[in-house]
Amino acid sequence: AQSVAQPEDQVNVAEGNPLTVKCTYSVSGNPYLFWYVQYPNRGLQFLLKYITGDNLVKGSYGFEAEFNKSQTSFHLKKPSALVSDSALYFCAVRDTHGYNKLIFGAGTRLAVHP
Amino acid sequence: EAGVAQSPRYKIIEKRQSVAFWCNPISGHATLYWYQQILGQGPKLLIQFQNNGVVDDSQLPKDRFSAERLKGVDSTLKIQPAKLEDSAVYLCASSVTGTSGGAGDEQFFGPGTRLTVL
Repeated sequence: AQSVAQPEDQVNVAEGNPLTVKCTYSVSGNPYLFWYVQYPNRGLQFLLKYITGDNLVKGSYGFEAEFNKSQTSFHLKKPSALVSDSALYFCAVRDTHGYNKLIFGAGTRLAVHP
Repeated sequence: EAGVAQSPRYKIIEKRQSVAFWCNPISGHATLYWYQQILGQGPKLLIQFQNNGVVDDSQLPKDRFSAERLKGVDSTLKIQPAKLEDSAVYLCASSVTGTSGGAGDEQFFGPGTRLTVL
């Protein structure tokens, strides 16, 4: 079965420091991976995706993610965190065996402190 | 471009009552999704439409949940009767292409409807 794991419930980082939000996946075949962010009382916003090609994917708001096939990971990164980055982050994998629905991880809450 | 619209934003009902949610996807998007997001969990797909046909409702509790997408545009999700465990945020999303060729398409989400069942 295809699945996504986000091993950290919460990540705390000081403003200006680099941040990493971890994600590992389990799929058969080539993975289609996504990161979404959710602010309070709002829907999910797309950040970036990996389909094929370069292992380093750049997305919105200065975020990037590194695809590592051997470690089955797709960690979200940002060189310098902002307080406004504080939100809930979800990693997702496309279920290509079905009808392309997204399978989400449980989410990681990012708290950036001034 | 207007985003995915959902209403109502909040709903409080008592158990055994019925409730309906409405979604208007982005214009021209072929695929529409309804997700259930329980507090502390990631969204879980309930039902997926391509145009006005259902392509995946494997995780929809069909004894109490129903959904339709009229004319391949708007959609409604209904719960009847509601249970306490239905308390969640119900998210609607849409994507531009159909399921066969849209594996790489991102989904665009609405703001969600927060349902509280007392």
